[in-house]
Amino acid sequence: GQQVMQIPQYQHVQEGEDFTTYCNSSTTLSNIQWYKQRPGGHPVFLIQLVKSGEVKKQKRLTFQFGEAKKNSSLHITATQTTDVGTYFCAGPVVNRDDKIIFGKGTRLHILP
Amino acid sequence: KAGVTQTPRYLIKTRGQQVTLSCSPISGHRSVSWYQQTPGQGLQFLFEYFSETQRNKGNFPGRFSGRQFSNSRSEMNVSTLELGDSALYLCASSLALAGGFSYNEQFFGPGTRLTVL
Repeated sequence: GQQVMQIPQYQHVQEGEDFTTYCNSSTTLSNIQWYKQRPGGHPVFLIQLVKSGEVKKQKRLTFQFGEAKKNSSLHITATQTTDVGTYFCAGPVVNRDDKIIFGKGTRLHILP
Repeated sequence: KAGVTQTPRYLIKTRGQQVTLSCSPISGHRSVSWYQQTPGQGLQFLFEYFSETQRNKGNFPGRFSGRQFSNSRSEMNVSTLELGDSALYLCASSLALAGGFSYNEQFFGPGTRLTVL
């Protein structure tokens, strides 16, 4: 079946270092969404990408959607302790139904 | 604007029992979806309701059911609980604009932590 894979599963970085998480789908996605979940919290919407090759920035966060619309990435520049959490990508299931598949997320730990 | 609220926040049940979880969406949001989150399987889509009708359903057994009321509030029911049903159950609401459910930003509630003993 359709899968949305995220790598890495875990990432430890020193505060101030950069961080990137990758999302790969087995099928073409019409759009992709990114969410952040803080420890003990609930997922919070970050952004949605729709167009092939789209790049969007939110302060230190840069989101990219691949040309083939099968992969996406989230890059954080100069991480801060507030960036701690799990980052999920989510994409629609490609069939007649309208469902969402979430990747299993990348858990980011910041070392002070 | 108040966020998505879920009750109860924590629940402990025993195998074989049933449970009902409640979700109140953001005012004006007509789409409510439910997710199960576990460490092993991550976030898995259960179902989505819009205007009191189940529009979409994930791959969960029939023990998992839900409904939506005319005020958009939603309930989820799990019957004959199993140990593996222990999870964080998240509800999310969205505006359900044109483009379908999967095109819309999901606003998640704090979740209900269900423990099955």
